[in-house]
Amino acid sequence: NAGVMQNPRHLVRRRGQEARLRCSPMKGHSHVYWYRQLPEEGLKFMVYLQKENIIDESGMPKERFSAEFPKEGPSILRIQQVVRGDSAAYFCASSPLVAGTDTQYFGPGTRLTVL
Amino acid sequence: GENVEQHPSTLSVQEGDSAVIKCTYSDSASNYFPWYKQELGKRPQLIIDIRSNVGEKKDQRIAVTLNKTAKHFSLHITETQPEDSAVYFCAPREGGTSYGKLTFGQGTILTVHP
Repeated sequence: NAGVMQNPRHLVRRRGQEARLRCSPMKGHSHVYWYRQLPEEGLKFMVYLQKENIIDESGMPKERFSAEFPKEGPSILRIQQVVRGDSAAYFCASSPLVAGTDTQYFGPGTRLTVL
Repeated sequence: GENVEQHPSTLSVQEGDSAVIKCTYSDSASNYFPWYKQELGKRPQLIIDIRSNVGEKKDQRIAVTLNKTAKHFSLHITETQPEDSAVYFCAPREGGTSYGKLTFGQGTILTVHP
């Protein structure tokens, strides 16, 4: 059973470009979470999605950031018009549908560098 | 939202000693309390978790204790080894639901000296 997959692992963008980060949850998991980690800090929650639904986006910046988890395919975190402050590691986590087995398993992360 | 504080921020021990990291939280409805270990450049990995219906859980050299009244839980590592050196995060889940966001502490850098 493959773990949570994220790609790309490293992404370099110039200011003003768009960044697309992908996350494929573990098989059988239907809950996806995105977290951001700035250098030498803890992880900060961004958004929680289930298939075709955004459940909690309380941690998402109001502008430039969006997320989706379509019926088919990976979850996508999209950052438009990137700025240097967006440079960080972005981790996604997934958890299964069954209550009581709600452990979040993390992917390897995407390290975004904005030049 | 949940306020989480983790202490100490750094911890240095000799191999074989014990290490204890404490996490306090603010949401009395929190019901799930995991600890994650993160090595440099790697993903956070769950090492142990506890739910609010138990007070202590142990897995070999690692244990977690929970005090819901005082709203804190602690990670205990016994017989530490150099490979335990990493950053450790507590991440309680707020709101009393079965799913939802984790709120991470600031992290504790544990260094185990051989």
